[in-house]
Amino acid sequence: EEQLVESGGGLVQPGRSLRLSCAASGFTFDDHGMHWVRQAPGKGLEWVSGISWNSGTTGYADSVKGRFTISRDNAKNSLFLQMNSLKTEDMALYYCARGRGDSIRRGFDSWGQGTLVTVSS
Amino acid sequence: QSALTQPASVSGSPGQSITISCTGTSSDVGGSNYVSWYQHHPGKAPKLMIYDVTKRPSGVSDRFSGSKSGNTASLTISGLQAEDEADYYCSSYTSSSTWVFGGGTKLTVL
Repeated sequence: EEQLVESGGGLVQPGRSLRLSCAASGFTFDDHGMHWVRQAPGKGLEWVSGISWNSGTTGYADSVKGRFTISRDNAKNSLFLQMNSLKTEDMALYYCARGRGDSIRRGFDSWGQGTLVTVSS
Repeated sequence: QSALTQPASVSGSPGQSITISCTGTSSDVGGSNYVSWYQHHPGKAPKLMIYDVTKRPSGVSDRFSGSKSGNTASLTISGLQAEDEADYYCSSYTSSSTWVFGGGTKLTVL
């Protein structure tokens, strides 16, 4: 059974950086595009970023473009999100999600449980 | 990247059918073959219910169906059951090669 386990969340001050990781198992990782989706407290889901199977295509929400960088290591079945210049509005539960197919065009067919990022001074 | 528009809440009695709408623009829902719907029970991971506008993943009940007309996609749940009570989100791939979600709809089974 496929499994996605996020880690790296925590409390960070505004302006600082944090790196999230997602460990994948139970499926062929490099057959799939991967994404980060977040949910702020009391709010809905927001797509953050996506990356194709070979890292050839990446995409970012306008709200994080220029501050966040998505990457993956297929040899280690891992997805990452480097978050710089964090703002209070970045505070959310961050989900790792598997894409259907190898691009970032299809829906998200498997999700982790999320890792919580708190941005506060 | 404006969020897609969903009703904040819908409700129905067990056995009834409900439809949740998701309105976007020609740059997302109207121009995309990649519209998805997710069921989210609080505290759990979201679950894919519909992908590519109308397709249902294996294991998802055939009580769930998706459709699209113009810039509006819809999720219909027939034969409502208590366990269907959850938040539902639509999402669409956009012409900017990004994804956008709807604001979410809280389904209450009366």
